[in-house]
Amino acid sequence: EDKVVQSPLSLVVHEGDTVTLNCSYEVTNFRSLLWYKQEKKAPTFLFMLTSSGIEKKSGRLSSILDKKELFSILNITATQTGDSAVYLCAVYMNRDDKIIFGKGTRLHILP
Amino acid sequence: DGGITQSPKYLFRKEGQNVTLSCEQNLNHDAMYWYRQDPGQGLRLIYYSQIVNDFQKGDIAEGYSVSREKKESFPLTVTSAQKNPTAFYLCASRDRKGSPLHFGNGTRLTVT
Repeated sequence: EDKVVQSPLSLVVHEGDTVTLNCSYEVTNFRSLLWYKQEKKAPTFLFMLTSSGIEKKSGRLSSILDKKELFSILNITATQTGDSAVYLCAVYMNRDDKIIFGKGTRLHILP
Repeated sequence: DGGITQSPKYLFRKEGQNVTLSCEQNLNHDAMYWYRQDPGQGLRLIYYSQIVNDFQKGDIAEGYSVSREKKESFPLTVTSAQKNPTAFYLCASRDRKGSPLHFGNGTRLTVT
């Protein structure tokens, strides 16, 4: 069975801390891994990763994929209260165009 | 402005009634997806459609039905056979194969 597992499920840190969110997967016919941020309603796209070892970066956020060990991490440095959200990891499968999500990590940043 | 519109935002129904959730996109995207989100469950795939007049079951299709008669529209019907229909429903679309999903703002369905 295809699955995406995120950890931790919940995380509370203080503003200015650095956090690392984890995503591991077991799927057939992997195409890419995606990260989304969900604050209230619609998840917004952060990164798409297809190749191992190549870091994607956007401001204080960065992500990397390890296709050998089947996991990805999302790093957020110098966290701000606006980073509070649910972070979703998803895997895009080549064979049938399915995109499946993990349960998400709920991140809360304390001022 | 291009985007995905889901309506209504909130929907209340009595148990035993079928209800249809609307999803319209003007992005000219080929594929459209329906997900269900419950607290602590992440997003679970209900149905998806890669082209007009064709759709595939996702992981939790039982109790749901869809149609794709037009490229821009992918309505989801929650039937009375769905055991626990109360949830937040998200519709998404993507451009070419391999592109990331774009999401609508969701419909919160409450069935009592």
